[in-house]
Amino acid sequence: KQEVTQIPAALSVPEGENLVLNCSFTDSAIYNLQWFRQDPGKGLTSLLLIQSSQREQTSGRLNASLDKSSGRSTLYIAASQPGDSATYLCAVKTGGGADGLTFGKGTHLIIQP
Amino acid sequence: EPEVTQTPSHQVTQMGQEVILRCVPISNHLYFYWYRQILGQKVEFLVSFYNNEISEKSEIFDDQFSVERPDGSNFTLKIRSTKLEDSAMYFCASSRFRDTTSGANVLTFGAGSRLTVL
Repeated sequence: KQEVTQIPAALSVPEGENLVLNCSFTDSAIYNLQWFRQDPGKGLTSLLLIQSSQREQTSGRLNASLDKSSGRSTLYIAASQPGDSATYLCAVKTGGGADGLTFGKGTHLIIQP
Repeated sequence: EPEVTQTPSHQVTQMGQEVILRCVPISNHLYFYWYRQILGQKVEFLVSFYNNEISEKSEIFDDQFSVERPDGSNFTLKIRSTKLEDSAMYFCASSRFRDTTSGANVLTFGAGSRLTVL
């Protein structure tokens, strides 16, 4: 059974810092991996999606990498801003035709102004 | 930008009562999903739905749960006899195709319906 772990559980940094969020998964036979952002009272917003054949994806100040063989992904946030404060979730879609995503518990990020 | 709409935003019910959570997916989407998140826990997959039938369901989705698309626009989750442990945030999601790759085929989530069972 696929398990997804995110480290750290919480992170508080001053504005302007670069930071890295970590995600690991136990079953490397994944179809893709997504990073989501969750804001209080709102749904999940997809930030980046990496296919199993890809190594990284970039969107603005965000860069996500994937090392499928070692079961790891990182989300790099450059020049953090207070508006980046949210919970960041990692989710994998396991191969073999599964529909559902398996989520990590998330990293609660606070960017101090 | 198109969005997935969920109602109610918050429902409080007594244990043993039936609850129906409603979702309006994005209009040209064909695949529909329910996920739940118990407070402080992970988001968990419940069920996927396509072509008016369940495509896949998790072990959480037992006989107490059912889904349907009664009128071609709404997508509902029914919990027949609620238990205390059903208290959670329930998220509806939709996508155009089954295999969400990127760009136009992202998986779009609603804001969630918070269910509190007393």
